[in-house]
Amino acid sequence: KAGVTQTPRYLIKTRGQQVTLSCSPISGHRSVSWYQQTPGQGLQFLFEYFSETQRNKGNFPGRFSGRQFSNSRSEMNVSTLELGDSALYLCASSPEAATNEKLFFGSGTQLSVL
Amino acid sequence: GDSVTQMEGPVTLSEEAFLTINCTYTATGYPSLFWYVQYPGEGLQLLLKATKADDKGSNKGFEATYRKETTSFHLEKGSVQVSDSAVYFCALNGSGGSNYKLTFGKGTLLTVNP
Repeated sequence: KAGVTQTPRYLIKTRGQQVTLSCSPISGHRSVSWYQQTPGQGLQFLFEYFSETQRNKGNFPGRFSGRQFSNSRSEMNVSTLELGDSALYLCASSPEAATNEKLFFGSGTQLSVL
Repeated sequence: GDSVTQMEGPVTLSEEAFLTINCTYTATGYPSLFWYVQYPGEGLQLLLKATKADDKGSNKGFEATYRKETTSFHLEKGSVQVSDSAVYFCALNGSGGSNYKLTFGKGTLLTVNP
């Protein structure tokens, strides 16, 4: 069974641009979560989707948004990029409906904002 | 809100040495506790978990015991190997309304030398 797939693996953007990251969960997984990982702040929760509905959102500005499609694939979008948005963005999927105990992570998208 | 504090390291050990990585948490209710591991260039993998007080999670020679009285979940291994070199994250799954996200510590880099 294929793992969580994130594309692209690396991305370089300039300030003010917008970016869209993609995540394909493990087949059969309906929950998808996004996390931002930086050396200073560590791992921070962005949002979680289940069956196309956002169930929880972290403390990030409105420039960060996401969505989930009917096939459980998910995208996150960051508009008006800032230097501080440079980070590794990790997607995780879970087979469970009511718990996030079993999270399977992708390898991430490394975003660099210049 | 929920929080996790772990020793940030880096920790450098010789092969076959004993490992302890301390982790303490703050949470309401009865969270589940986890240790995740991240190898270079990869996403996070679940190492072990414990879902209630006095539970011991174990995997690949690693162990951690859920101590509610000290709000701790320290990771231990009796004899580390070079292949254990990675970043280790302690995390909790908050109960109730925050059940759909993990709160992570900042990670501890472990380097094991031959």
